[in-house]
Amino acid sequence: EVQLVQSGAEVKKSGESLKISCKASGYNFPNYWIGWVRHMPGKGLEWMGIIYSGDSDTKYNPSFRGHVTISVDKSLETAYLQWNGLKASDTAMYYCARLAEPQWFPNWFDSWGQGTQVSVSS
Amino acid sequence: DIVLTQSPGTLSLSPGERATLSCRASEGVRNNYLAWYQLRRGQTPRLLVYGASNRAAGVPDRFSASGSGTYFTLTISRLEPEDFAVYFCQQYGSSITFGGGATVEIK
Repeated sequence: EVQLVQSGAEVKKSGESLKISCKASGYNFPNYWIGWVRHMPGKGLEWMGIIYSGDSDTKYNPSFRGHVTISVDKSLETAYLQWNGLKASDTAMYYCARLAEPQWFPNWFDSWGQGTQVSVSS
Repeated sequence: DIVLTQSPGTLSLSPGERATLSCRASEGVRNNYLAWYQLRRGQTPRLLVYGASNRAAGVPDRFSASGSGTYFTLTISRLEPEDFAVYFCQQYGSSITFGGGATVEIK
């Protein structure tokens, strides 16, 4: 069974750094893309970026490029989303999700993590 | 980027009624590469449909989807209590974008 388990909720201050994680299991990790999706209260889903677990090829939504960094540790089968200078406007739920079809970008997301709530005070 | 506009924003219906949600793209979605997801309060997003009309594994057949080009729909034939949720469309014909979501609420 495919599982994506995310790290727990975070409460941070503006300007601080943060790295959240997404631990994968139940499938051939290197063959798939893992993406990050932001969900702000009352808003739509926003695709932030995605990484290919096999070679760390990374693609970003231009709206998020330069503000976040996506990385992967193949040995730990874990993907990460990192900020070096949080803003209050980063307060949101963040989901990791796996693209359904191996190797191919883009396609649809078939498995999702449970979400990590990030709260940033100014 | 392709912009997806979902309508209506909120649909107020009773259990047993039919729900039809639409997703309009700002330009044609290549190969009709469109997916639908359900997000229940406090739960993880769930894939319902991919390729515009293919139900994902385990999705009840009361969910159906269709469309092509710039206009797509998701229909729930008879609403069950667990279907009251927020629904998102996503295109993957050109990078990835999501719609703004549509809420199906209990009337």
